[in-house]
Amino acid sequence: EAGVTQSPTHLIKTRGQQATLRCSPISGHTSVYWYQQALGLGLQFLLWYDEGEERNRGNFPPRFSGRQFPNYSSELNVNALELEDSALYLCASSTHLASGQETQYFGPGTRLLVL
Amino acid sequence: AQSVTQPDIHITVSEGASLELRCNYSYGATPYLFWYVQSPGQGLQLLLKYFSGDTLVQGIKGFEAEFKRSQSSFNLRKPSVHWSDAAEYFCAVGKNAGNMLTFGGGTRLMVKP
Repeated sequence: EAGVTQSPTHLIKTRGQQATLRCSPISGHTSVYWYQQALGLGLQFLLWYDEGEERNRGNFPPRFSGRQFPNYSSELNVNALELEDSALYLCASSTHLASGQETQYFGPGTRLLVL
Repeated sequence: AQSVTQPDIHITVSEGASLELRCNYSYGATPYLFWYVQSPGQGLQLLLKYFSGDTLVQGIKGFEAEFKRSQSSFNLRKPSVHWSDAAEYFCAVGKNAGNMLTFGGGTRLMVKP
């Protein structure tokens, strides 16, 4: 069974540009999560999508946005890039259970460097 | 708000020695608890998880963890460490309204030959 895939693996942008990161979940998973792992800041929750809707977002400005497509894949868009947006962006997927006993499985990440 | 603390930023053990990585959480009810491992430049791999039931859970690669409600802890253990276990280990707590995971700061494990 294929795991969570992310593209590109690396992305280099300049300040003020826009970045688009992509994620394909494990087959059968409807939820996609995005996390930022920045140096010195640890792993921070960004966004959660389920069934095409944004369900929750972390403490990030609106220039971090995304969407989920009908096939449950997802895009993360970061507008007006700032130097501090340089980080590893991790995507995870899970099923969405009424019990809440879901396990998030992570992809390999996209490393974004803002110059 | 929920939080996770991993008190040890770095740990060095000799190959073959036992290992215990500490994790303490703050949460209003019984949380869902996870341990993930991250090799350099890689994503997170799930080692084990606790939802309910038996407080001693077994994971992959010979790891186990014990949920102790009285101590708000979920420490990760391995009886004999291999050089390939060198990586960063993250404890996480889930089960809140937003389905997000809250991670500890991580413990970097180094293994001496």
